[in-house]
Formats: sequence, structure tokens, C-alpha cells
Amino acid sequence: GAGVSQSPSNKVTEKGKDVELRCDPISGHTALYWYRQSLGQGLEFLIYFQGNSAPDKSGLPSDRFSAERTGGSVSTLTIQRTQQEDSAVYLCASSLARRAENSPLHFGNGTRLTVT
Amino acid sequence: TQLLEQSPQFLSIQEGENLTVYCNSSSVFSSLQWYRQEPGEGPVLLVTVVTGGEVKKLKRLTFQFGDARKDSSLHITAAQPGDTGLYLCAGANAGKSTFGDGTTLTVKP
Repeated sequence: GAGVSQSPSNKVTEKGKDVELRCDPISGHTALYWYRQSLGQGLEFLIYFQGNSAPDKSGLPSDRFSAERTGGSVSTLTIQRTQQEDSAVYLCASSLARRAENSPLHFGNGTRLTVT
Repeated sequence: TQLLEQSPQFLSIQEGENLTVYCNSSSVFSSLQWYRQEPGEGPVLLVTVVTGGEVKKLKRLTFQFGDARKDSSLHITAAQPGDTGLYLCAGANAGKSTFGDGTTLTVKP
């Protein structure tokens, strides 16, 4: 594809339900990132995948959050037992190079999650 | 934790004015990137600066990386309504990018 694709674009869920957010990175990009953004704010790092290495999960806010990346391509971010404070835009980005210093991040348009 | 502080948080100006936004940190970064984000979309890269003291120009936008690679500035000359958006700086180290909270710029016609 031409760019990073995220689905769904919008998700409204009830408090306590589980949600899955999907990210299709640019073909050939080995690095994949998940960020969370509150309205008009900066990006909060969640998790980083690089090739076959163990992911950097240091940004996940609680054990209700998890992510996987299958076959080095598609990634799914799962939030269990959603809470209202989980409401935000979840952005996925991919990068060609191993190190962020050497390659810019290409972002999808995000999934806007609303927990009611 | 590496923190990036951006200022001002909000900026509203008239078309034709000049402006500067700042990105500061106590940490040294291997590189620093500036992104612009419009509503409903993901951030889009504007520039990457790598060398301390580096200055890059992109049409009416001038980017500077501090000598110590801890801070950066973005200057826009003769701002236009199309420049409206959220401007984010991101410092890269150890394979990961850390973002500031952004500057929301509104340029009124």
C-alpha cells in the first residue's frame, strides 16, 4: 500500500469491553510504533517493534494494554476492560531503518477510541 | 525519561506575520525531527536535523538545531492560513522517538 493503514478509523465502546486496533505498516518497513494522543496534545509512546527483536513495551500504561506483530507486518493493539481514560487517538507509525535517528516515522491517520 | 518541552503551546497570528516555536530538552539527541499534524490525520515529517548548529530551510520555514543538540527552533516567515496545524518536535535516541506536546498554530486570513 501507499501508506500506513489503520482500522477502524473510529471506535466507540462501552466501559469494560475489550477492543482491538489494527495497523498495516508500509511494506518493507521493519520498525513499527504505537503512540497515543489526547486531543491537541503530543504523542505518548506505547510500544515499539523492530524486526524479530523483543518489543520495547516500556510505554504501555497498564497490563490491560498489549500488542503483537504477526509475521513482521500487521500489528494489533489490544485494550482489555476499557476505561474512560483510555479514550484517545491511537496512532501507528512505521519506519524503514532500525534506528529512529536514521529514518522518519510514517504515520497512519489513527483510530479515535471513545469509551462511554 | 527524556522530555521535550515545546513553547508556546498555542499561537494565533494574522496572515503575513512571522513566528518562532521552540523545542527544549535537558537531554542530548542523535537527531531531531519536526512534524506537522492536521486534524484527523497523522503527523507528517517536515525535516530532520542531525548536526549541532545545523540550519535547514524549507521554503518559508527555517529549522535550527542547537549546538549541544538539546534544543531546536522552527521559524516561519510570512505565515499563511495553510500553515495552520499542530507542530510537533521529536528527539530520537536508541531507536526510539520521544515527542513534545506540540504547538497549535492558527493563522487567520
